[in-house]
Amino acid sequence: EAEVAQSPRYKITEKSQAVAFWCDPISGHATLYWYRQILGQGPELLVQFQDESVVDDSQLPKDRFSAERLKGVDSTLKIQPAELGDSAMYLCASSLAAGRTEAFFGQGTRLTVV
Amino acid sequence: AQTVTQSQPEMSVQEAETVTLSCTYDTSESDYYLFWYKQPPSRQMILVIRQEAYKQQNATENRFSVNFQKAAKSFSLKISDSQLGDAAMYFCAYRSGGFQKLVFGTGTRLLVSP
Repeated sequence: EAEVAQSPRYKITEKSQAVAFWCDPISGHATLYWYRQILGQGPELLVQFQDESVVDDSQLPKDRFSAERLKGVDSTLKIQPAELGDSAMYLCASSLAAGRTEAFFGQGTRLTVV
Repeated sequence: AQTVTQSQPEMSVQEAETVTLSCTYDTSESDYYLFWYKQPPSRQMILVIRQEAYKQQNATENRFSVNFQKAAKSFSLKISDSQLGDAAMYFCAYRSGGFQKLVFGTGTRLLVSP
């Protein structure tokens, strides 16, 4: 069964260091989302791609976060420099298209900034 | 901006009993979709059920059903014959038609006791 792949599963990094997360969506899925989920809260959208184009990055802290999906397939989310408040689960999801089609989620990357 | 509200941080139910999780949303749009997602502890988020706003009939998936009240902007999830495996965080989510972001509520933790 096709799945959204994310790596790493867990990451511990020191404050002010750079960190990157990778996501490989389900083959053929044009829409890709990156969400941040703080423990006990709902996911908050960071960035949404349609193919290689950014559709929504209004909640992405652009001074330290960047995201790319160069060929419209896999995607990388980077944080530089990491801050203590960035500790959270980072979820990647993909869907065939927006609208009624469901989004499939990866297992996430749990980031701890120390 | 669309918002999703889940007013029950935690709910408890006994096995074989029925429980209802509440969700309200705010939108001025007519074309949208509603979802309930389940997030078990340390596992990925999966879709439980979806509802298209243009459909009057409430969606049903086995033991899961929704009560969609469009005028009241309410979208509750009913779980019948609850099982231990139903224990998880449940998130209500909203998405407009087109290439719009998927907005989540803050979640309801469901506890199931034997």
